[in-house]
Amino acid sequence: NAGVTQTPKFQVLKTGQSMTLQCAQDMNHNSMYWYRQDPGMGLRLIYYSASEGTTDKGEVPNGYNVSRLNKREFSLRLESAAPSQTSVYFCASSERTGGSYEQYFGPGTRLTVT
Amino acid sequence: GESVGLHLPTLSVQEGDNSIINCAYSNSASDYFIWYKQESGKGPQFIIDIRSNMDKRQGQRVTVLLNKTVKHLSLQIAATQPGDSAVYFCAEIPSGYSTLTFGKGTMLLVSP
Repeated sequence: NAGVTQTPKFQVLKTGQSMTLQCAQDMNHNSMYWYRQDPGMGLRLIYYSASEGTTDKGEVPNGYNVSRLNKREFSLRLESAAPSQTSVYFCASSERTGGSYEQYFGPGTRLTVT
Repeated sequence: GESVGLHLPTLSVQEGDNSIINCAYSNSASDYFIWYKQESGKGPQFIIDIRSNMDKRQGQRVTVLLNKTVKHLSLQIAATQPGDSAVYFCAEIPSGYSTLTFGKGTMLLVSP
């Protein structure tokens, strides 16, 4: 089991460029999430998908779009990157069983926008 | 770029000591809490969770204590090891919600 995988690991963009961050999980989880992590800010939820076919905004959705391609894959798109989107992006997945909300995280994508 | 640990509260301990990491949560309606460990350059890893109907839960070398009266959560690590050096986050789920809200984190530094 690879768990949660993310591509790419690193990316440098110029302001205004677009890109898609890919995430896949092999644990058959229904729910998937995208977070960003900035120094001293903890993790903030961008978007999530409670189940295949649904997506919802999190705390900081502006400037992002998401697609739940199928049960395994959840992508995050930056249509016009801005320096404020420089961050580390984490994808996570979960399956609520036995009252646990444990989320499994990928290794992250480190994005720099210049 | 800046590390995720910049500007975080830091707890420095000696190897073998017990560590206590504290977290104040904001929502009195939260009914589920979770602790994550994040090593440098990696994604967060689950440590332990606790529901609001419990005051204490123990795992392997870790104990989580919940004080709902003062909205306080703590993570105790027994016999701390250098491999425990990481940033530790608490997270909560308010009642009626399904997504986690993370705290800002505490960096634990363990000296040999």
